[in-house]
Amino acid sequence: KQEVTQIPAALSVPEGENLVLNCSFTDSAIYNLQWFRQDPGKGLTSLLLIQSSQREQTSGRLNASLDKSSGRSTLYIAASQPGDSATYLCAVGLIKAAGNKLTFGGGTRVLVKP
Amino acid sequence: SAVISQKPSRDICQRGTSLTIQCQVDSQVTMMFWYRQQPGQSLTLIATANQGSEATYESGFVIDKFPISRPNLTFSTLTVSNMSPEDSSIYLCSGSSELQFFGPGTRLTVL
Repeated sequence: KQEVTQIPAALSVPEGENLVLNCSFTDSAIYNLQWFRQDPGKGLTSLLLIQSSQREQTSGRLNASLDKSSGRSTLYIAASQPGDSATYLCAVGLIKAAGNKLTFGGGTRVLVKP
Repeated sequence: SAVISQKPSRDICQRGTSLTIQCQVDSQVTMMFWYRQQPGQSLTLIATANQGSEATYESGFVIDKFPISRPNLTFSTLTVSNMSPEDSSIYLCSGSSELQFFGPGTRLTVL
C-alpha cells in the first residue's frame, strides 16, 4: 500500500527566504506526482504535475523535482512571499490503469512572515 | 483546465439524516473521484465515480454509507447516509484526465 509522507509538517520563514518542502513515497511504481496548495477553508489548487518519466517541472517561482527510484520529490519556492502562506500537499498518482487515484501526504503548513 | 463546482458549499445536519452533495465539471473528464478531509488531516479517497455503473470504493468505505451516482461524464453526487458526528468533514470532488482538479469542497458539520 502506497504511503506518502511530508516533512516538515509545519514551516515558518521570513519573507524572501527560499522554501524547501519534502515529500517521500514508499512505492516507486507511480504514474505521476502532483503538488497542490490549500488555503484555509478552501479547496485544492494544482501547482505542478510531474509525470513518472520526468525529473522536474517549473512554473514561475516554483520548481518540483522527482526522484522515483528513491521515492522522493521536493518542491522549491523561491523568494517566498506572505501570499505563499498555505498548506502544501503532495499527492502520488497510481498506475494509469487505476485511473490516476491519488494518495496524499499529510501536508506542510507554511507561514511566510512579512 | 477544468472548473469544478460543488453544492452545497457547507451544511449543518442532525445525526441520523442524510445529505447529498452535487459535483459539476464544466468539461468532460475521464475520471471523477470523491475524497474526504477530516479536521486537521489530509485527503482520503472514498471512491471512484464510474459513469453509468456502481462506484469503486476504497477500503473502509461502503456503498450503503456513501452511495454515489455518475449519470454522465460531467456530473456526480455523493450521499452521506445516516450521519453521525464522526462524518463531520470536508468532502471534495475531483475530476481527472491527466491533471487532477478539485472542487471547492463541501464542509459538513453533524450535530
